[in-house]
Amino acid sequence: GIQVEQSPPDLILQEGANSTLRCNFSDSVNNLQWFHQNPWGQLINLFYIPSGTKQNGRLSATTVATERYSLLYISSSQTTDSGVYFCAGQMDSSYKLIFGSGTRLLVRP
Amino acid sequence: EADIYQTPRYLVIGTGKKITLECSQTMGHDKMYWYQQDPGMELHLIHYSYGVNSTEKGDLSSESTVSRIRTEHFPLTLESARPSHTSQYLCASRSSGNTIYFGEGSWLTVV
Repeated sequence: GIQVEQSPPDLILQEGANSTLRCNFSDSVNNLQWFHQNPWGQLINLFYIPSGTKQNGRLSATTVATERYSLLYISSSQTTDSGVYFCAGQMDSSYKLIFGSGTRLLVRP
Repeated sequence: EADIYQTPRYLVIGTGKKITLECSQTMGHDKMYWYQQDPGMELHLIHYSYGVNSTEKGDLSSESTVSRIRTEHFPLTLESARPSHTSQYLCASRSSGNTIYFGEGSWLTVV
């Protein structure tokens, strides 16, 4: 089945730093999305980004579907950005959303 | 924010008990999902539904069952809980625009 790889697996930043998280897919995917899981376990949808670039405040995301990857940019990081970031996509003929193993981010004050 | 609700949020039960985790959404979404996640680990799809009276098993084998009698309601049941079922269970629904929304999760501990 499809494989979703995220890098780096762990990341520690000083508050105010910028970072880039990457998501690679082994096969073509549709409906790529990025999520943030807070320390209480809730998953928040950050971006629905099957292709192109979107921005929302300090966060932006870019998906290059033809090259099977997506990037999440975090600028001027804050302690509240800490948590786990997941990317997820689905295969062509299925509604199943497959998740990567996540990037664990800790932003220190 | 999406209107998708899970109850209970936290549950501690004894081995062998039957439990039902509730999931409701008020957005009229047809497609709904149940994921299982151990702390800090990746999410595994255990059940999904295309709509009323449609349910499918996900990629991770699970002893749980689901039903979809109404569009807004997608409960998950464990007939006989075991300590290996201890985990977080996350319910999600998908909009017509393909955006996925998650509930707050149900943390289950079986002792």
